[in-house]
Amino acid sequence: EPEVTQTPSHQVTQMGQEVILRCVPISNHLYFYWYRQILGQKVEFLVSFYNNEISEKSEIFDDQFSVERPDGSNFTLKIRSTKLEDSAMYFCASRRGGQTDTQYFGPGTRLTVL
Amino acid sequence: GDSVTQMEGPVTLSEEAFLTINCTYTATGYPSLFWYVQYPGEGLQLLLKATKADDKGSNKGFEATYRKETTSFHLEKGSVQVSDSAVYFCALSEIGNQFYFGTGTSLTVIP
Repeated sequence: EPEVTQTPSHQVTQMGQEVILRCVPISNHLYFYWYRQILGQKVEFLVSFYNNEISEKSEIFDDQFSVERPDGSNFTLKIRSTKLEDSAMYFCASRRGGQTDTQYFGPGTRLTVL
Repeated sequence: GDSVTQMEGPVTLSEEAFLTINCTYTATGYPSLFWYVQYPGEGLQLLLKATKADDKGSNKGFEATYRKETTSFHLEKGSVQVSDSAVYFCALSEIGNQFYFGTGTSLTVIP
């Protein structure tokens, strides 16, 4: 069964460093998403992406964040200058499109900012 | 705006006990409703969904009915197993839009 994959599973970085989290969505899906889950808190929406552009973003997704689909398979989330409060689990999700609303989530990348 | 309110945890049950996890929602339109499960160390897995009022989603012995009149989507299972120990998230989505998640309910089933 196709699934969303994410790498790395765990990333440790120093405050102020740039990180890139990678996702490979399900191959025939057209809509892509990033969410984050700070430890012990709810899963929060960051951004959605369709047709090579951002379609919606939350207040969390400020200028420090960017997303890109550099080729036909990867979908990346970049944090330019990490802060301690960026420590969280980051989930990528994809959706086929049309009237199908189910989003399929990857296993997540745990980001730890020291 | 849209939101999901989920029963606080943690919940601890003995094997074969009956499970209910309450979920209520607020939505501006006609959302689809979901339950996702997160096993230790893993990502979010879709457990079941319902796309319109009175629909019942079911999977692996879990059930939830979309109740528009009470804006609820409570998760139930008649007889839980140790392997059901996980965190359960209620969520809603209006087609094409972001998901709104509840805070998650941790379930531990003891033998």
